[in-house]
Amino acid sequence: AQSVTQLGSHVSVSEGALVLLRCNYSSSVPPYLFWYVQYPNQGLQLLLKYTSAATLVKGINGFEAEFKKSETSFHLTKPSAHMSDAAEYFCAVSERINQGGKLIFGQGTELSVKP
Amino acid sequence: ETGVTQTPRHLVMGMTNKKSLKCEQHLGHNAMYWYKQSAKKPLELMFVYNFKEQTENNSVPSRFSPECPNSSHLFLHLHTLQPEDSALYLCASSQDTPRTGPYEQYFGPGTRLTVT
Repeated sequence: AQSVTQLGSHVSVSEGALVLLRCNYSSSVPPYLFWYVQYPNQGLQLLLKYTSAATLVKGINGFEAEFKKSETSFHLTKPSAHMSDAAEYFCAVSERINQGGKLIFGQGTELSVKP
Repeated sequence: ETGVTQTPRHLVMGMTNKKSLKCEQHLGHNAMYWYKQSAKKPLELMFVYNFKEQTENNSVPSRFSPECPNSSHLFLHLHTLQPEDSALYLCASSQDTPRTGPYEQYFGPGTRLTVT
């Protein structure tokens, strides 16, 4: 069965510092992987997705993530945090078989950015 | 993002009321989803519809009743809810079919439901 684990329910960084949000997945087959962001009182917005092309995936707002099969990880990074990055971030996985679009989400990581 | 809209944005209802949540997608997608988002819990997938057919029901209590009249509209009918059903209900859509994808899901802003 698929699963997603996000290490750290809350991460705090200073403005301008590196952002690193961790995601590990469990899947019996090569997965599709996604990162979503949720701002207060809004729905989820796709940041980036991995679908087996390049292992380093670039997304919106300067975020990127690297797929590491050997570590079953898909960590999200941004070189320099901005105050507007404060939000909740969700990692999600879906297997590469007939799943009808079913995504399994991690529990989320709340990112705080200090001035 | 206006591709997926949800109404109402906020809803307060008593345990004996009947209400409905509405979702509409303007993206030409064929799959639609209902999720429940409670505080401190992962998103819970409730229902999946592909081409108007329900393909997934994640053991959701019968007091939640979905309806998908066409690929663009999705409803969630609510009756005799419990206080623990208070949550943010999110609708999403995607371009999935049973034989392709999965493609990313596009989410609406959600309905904040409070059951008193």
